[in-house]
Amino acid sequence: DAGVIQSPRHEVTEMGQEVTLRCKPISGHDYLFWYRQTMMRGLELLIYFNNNVPIDDSGMPEDRFSAKMPNASFSTLKIQPSEPRDSAVYFCASSFGTSGGEGSYNEQFFGPGTRLTVL
Amino acid sequence: QKEVEQNSGPLSVPEGAIASLNCTYSDRGSQSFFWYRQYSGKSPELIMFIYSNGDKEDGRFTAQLNKASQYVSLLIRDSQPSDSATYLCAVKRNTGFQKLVFGTGTRLLVSP
Repeated sequence: DAGVIQSPRHEVTEMGQEVTLRCKPISGHDYLFWYRQTMMRGLELLIYFNNNVPIDDSGMPEDRFSAKMPNASFSTLKIQPSEPRDSAVYFCASSFGTSGGEGSYNEQFFGPGTRLTVL
Repeated sequence: QKEVEQNSGPLSVPEGAIASLNCTYSDRGSQSFFWYRQYSGKSPELIMFIYSNGDKEDGRFTAQLNKASQYVSLLIRDSQPSDSATYLCAVKRNTGFQKLVFGTGTRLLVSP
């Protein structure tokens, strides 16, 4: 398997423009996560999906951010309009679900990330 | 108070020494604890997982958990320059949910 695939790897845009980040999870994984990483705030969970349904979007910073998962093999994170403070590395990760019992764990496999720069 | 706290470092150790990385967490409901390694410009990768009090060993790595003190640590024995990276501590609150909360990471530098 190719692992989690993200595109583009780098994006430079101007303030006010729309930005769309894309993710293809590992085949068969039923959880998909979008994270944002900055030096100041570290790795923050923005939203995650289970079986294509958004479960927790409490980390989405504001209405300018939206995420969709139209099918099991594709997700998008959109920022409209973009602002300089959105500059960060955005990671997508996927995993299997677990039974939920103590000791159960689900390794989240991360994609290579998209480095976004908003000028 | 941040939910997961780590010293940002850098932690500098000579090759062959033991590196000790520490993490504290605030939510007593946390059930599982993870250590991810992230090389500069790369994505995080899981290296250790622990959920029971005590030690868990995997090769040169040992994770230690003390739930009473809300403290988890990672020991790296015989440190190598290739261990130089940022180590992220993550906690999962409830075994029924998949959400991880990450610390900001500790940068480790191993000098030859």
